[in-house]
Amino acid sequence: DGGITQSPKYLFRKEGQNVTLSCEQNLNHDAMYWYRQDPGQGLRLIYYSQIVNDFQKGDIAEGYSVSREKKESFPLTVTSAQKNPTAFYLCASTSLAGSSGANVLTFGAGSRLTVL
Amino acid sequence: SQQGEEDPQALSIQEGENATMNCSYKTSINNLQWYRQNSGRGLVHLILIRSNEREKHSGRLRVTLDTSKKSSSLLITASRAADTASYFCATVYFNTGANSKLTFGKGITLSVRP
Repeated sequence: DGGITQSPKYLFRKEGQNVTLSCEQNLNHDAMYWYRQDPGQGLRLIYYSQIVNDFQKGDIAEGYSVSREKKESFPLTVTSAQKNPTAFYLCASTSLAGSSGANVLTFGAGSRLTVL
Repeated sequence: SQQGEEDPQALSIQEGENATMNCSYKTSINNLQWYRQNSGRGLVHLILIRSNEREKHSGRLRVTLDTSKKSSSLLITASRAADTASYFCATVYFNTGANSKLTFGKGITLSVRP
C-alpha cells in the first residue's frame, strides 16, 4: 500500500540531546513537509522540500534541521537548540505534477516527542 | 503567518444532527481544503474547493466558499459517532516567487454523542 511512514511513533529525549524523526513515502510525491502540532494549536510548518537536495524554512525552523538526499525520504532532526521540543510531529507529502497548485497533502501517522 | 481561523473551537451535537463548522481567512487564496484528524493520528484530506467555486459536495459533506467574505463552511449532515474528530481548514495561497503551500487553522473539535 502506498503511504507515508513515520518512525518512531513515540520518542523520549533527555534535554541536550539531538533526535531524528524518520519520514518515508512510497507515493512518488515531489514535495514533503514537516509540521509541528501543539495542544490547542494548529499545524505550524517547520521545513518543506519540493525537490531532492533542496529545502526551505517554514514558519518555525529554528532548532530544527532537515535533509532531502532521496525523493522518498525527509528526516527531521530536533536539535538541542530547540527550546520546547515536546510536541506531535507530522510529516506530509504531495505531488506537484499537474496539481494546478492544489497541494492536497497526504499525512503520516505522526511522531510524539517528549523531552524528559 | 497567514492562517485560517475556525469557528467554533468546539462543537457537541447529538447523532443524526447536522454539524456546521466555519473558517475565515485573511488574504486571497488559490483553494481551501478541509482535513480531519482522529485523536493522536495524522490528518486526512476531506474536500477541496477552488477560489472560483462556491459549493462542493462529497457524500455527507458540503463545503461552501464565499471569497467576498473570505470565509468557508463545512457541513456534515446526519452526523454519526464516528465523525467525532478534529476538523481543520487549510488555505493555499501563492507566495511571491515560490510554489503554493498550505496554512492550517487551529481546528474544531467535534463530538457526536450517540
